[in-house]
Amino acid sequence: KNQVEQSPQSLIILEGKNCTLQCNYTVSPFSNLRWYKQDTGRGPVSLTIMTFSENTKSNGRYTATLDADTKQSSLHITASQLSDSASYICVVSLPESNDYKLSFGAGTTVTVRA
Amino acid sequence: GAVVSQHPSRVICKSGTSVKIECRSLDFQATTMFWYRQFPKQSLMLMATSNEGSKATYEQGVEKDKFLINHASLTLSTLTVTSAHPEDSSFYICSARILDVDSPLHFGNGTRLTVT
Repeated sequence: KNQVEQSPQSLIILEGKNCTLQCNYTVSPFSNLRWYKQDTGRGPVSLTIMTFSENTKSNGRYTATLDADTKQSSLHITASQLSDSASYICVVSLPESNDYKLSFGAGTTVTVRA
Repeated sequence: GAVVSQHPSRVICKSGTSVKIECRSLDFQATTMFWYRQFPKQSLMLMATSNEGSKATYEQGVEKDKFLINHASLTLSTLTVTSAHPEDSSFYICSARILDVDSPLHFGNGTRLTVT
């Protein structure tokens, strides 16, 4: 079983609307949790990084939250734009005892329609 | 910002041939680079960790003789898929980290390999 599970697998939203993506993880503690945006046929680009003690981090219209008690993170996209259409990947970095290995979620594919 | 350049972006080759993929850090030195493989609608799967000046560390199940990794300098790592077969067709991505483990990974734009 994957250590990082994302939901939904995909979603379609209208331009200008908000959406929230979920990431549930089993790794605890961890070094950091990251959200990446991956455009089709491109490499992922970092959106946010949160350490174990942080509970929110923003990057423009992207806001990531972290609840260490429930082992959940979410990525909220505000006022979506067509360019937000991409796959969003949640990545958990294991602690030093695990050589900081990364555990990747399968991603949520977001499609923004005009 | 930091840039990782990956080349080629697409390659089509015949079964049995070898393909080399390059990953360069353009404005920083990367002592460690990572190679991933990604199938459609799936997670990135770490194949190996490439260490400058030493042998790569392969993940379980990844054949080191099939996926040759060379990290000859602080700015270049190469992945060679030897004797490629159709099942090797995939999206291969490299990444590098500039500083410590809490700094973001910078990814290349990937290489779409199609073996016919």
